[in-house]
Formats: sequence, C-alpha cells, structure tokens
Amino acid sequence: DQQVKQNSPSLSVQEGRISILNCDYTNSMFDYFLWYKKYPAEGPTFLISISSIKDKNEDGRFTVFLNKSAKHLSLHIVPSQPGDSAVYFCAASTGFQKLVFGTGTRLLVSP
Amino acid sequence: EAGVAQSPRYKIIEKRQSVAFWCNPISGHATLYWYQQILGQGPKLLIQFQNNGVVDDSQLPKDRFSAERLKGVDSTLKIQPAKLEDSAVYLCASRDPRVETQYFGPGTRLLVL
Repeated sequence: DQQVKQNSPSLSVQEGRISILNCDYTNSMFDYFLWYKKYPAEGPTFLISISSIKDKNEDGRFTVFLNKSAKHLSLHIVPSQPGDSAVYFCAASTGFQKLVFGTGTRLLVSP
Repeated sequence: EAGVAQSPRYKIIEKRQSVAFWCNPISGHATLYWYQQILGQGPKLLIQFQNNGVVDDSQLPKDRFSAERLKGVDSTLKIQPAKLEDSAVYLCASRDPRVETQYFGPGTRLLVL
C-alpha cells in the first residue's frame, strides 16, 4: 500500500521556465510534508517542507503548495536552472515519526 | 556544521556473506534512522533510534538484519547472511528531536552477487 505517490517518473523543462512536481498521499494522518532532492551517488538533500496547518511555503525559487482536501502537494521551481536536474522525492510523516517516501520524479532542465 | 557521515560508500559481497555499515549523525541529533533504498523506489525505513533505544523496527528483517547504537551517537547496521535482494543503497539520517526535518548521509551502495 503506497501512501505517498509521485505519478510522474520524469519531467523535462527548459531553463528559465517553471517546473511543477506533484505528489499525492492517502493517509490523512500525515501532518508534515517534505521535498528532498537527490543527485546520483549522493544522499537525499532536504529542500523545503510544509506543515499541515499551512497551505504554502516559499524559500527562494522553491514553493510548496499543500491542498489537504485533495491530499495533494506540489513543488514549484521558478525559474528552473540546469543545476536543478535531479531526482525529487516527496515525503510525509506523522508526529515526528518515520518519513514515508514517494518513488521520485526525475527532473531534467535543459539549457 | 558537519553532515551525516557514512562508511563505506560502496561494498560488493557474495550472497550469504555478512556486511556492516557505519553511521555518525549530526552532532546533537538524538534521533537516528536507517533507510533502505532499492533502485527505482523511495527510501524505506528499516529502524529508528532515539538516543540508544529503538523506537521503530517494524520493517527490519530481524532474521538477517541487526542494528545498534550503543552510546547514543554512532550506529552500525549489519546484514548476516546477505541475500541478492539486499542489493540497495543504505541511508542513514538524523534529526534534532525538536524539529521534523531529517538530514541524510551519502549512503552505502551494497551489491550482493
């Protein structure tokens, strides 16, 4: 039973455009959501997070949106840069416990 | 601030052999996690420690996997005997108990032949 789903295995965008990565979840008990970026041969790097009491959180070029009624969150990267090319994982947790990860979306930003 | 350290970075063994991985968390992080990431999947929790006590090991295959964190700092994860399906990246993460964000090490890539 996959509680966190990233239905797009890959996404290609041009440099300077917006990248939108999507994530859906099924467990309504999740109260904290995170996005991690992963380069080859490295561990996941924390990018941005959002608590379930908010619907938006921004950090520079990165914005995460949370729609609790739809059990959906998205990560917006504006503008996209070639260095953003990586695999992006969505993760969720309940009450400071384990993270449940999606399967990842590979983002390719071309110059 | 130093990040999570893991060693070795790569390991190749034959099935039925044993292997051990080491993790040193971020200083002051009382909570430590071991995750297994199989190719094409997201990381999956194996075990969670709070200081040197186990909080969650429900998904740890206890017949072959073991982990310890004796002094509440470093941790080791052992597989004995290894199976082909254990080929994966083993990630260690740590967290300050006051916040939710987990920080990951670079991982150990294990190949079982």
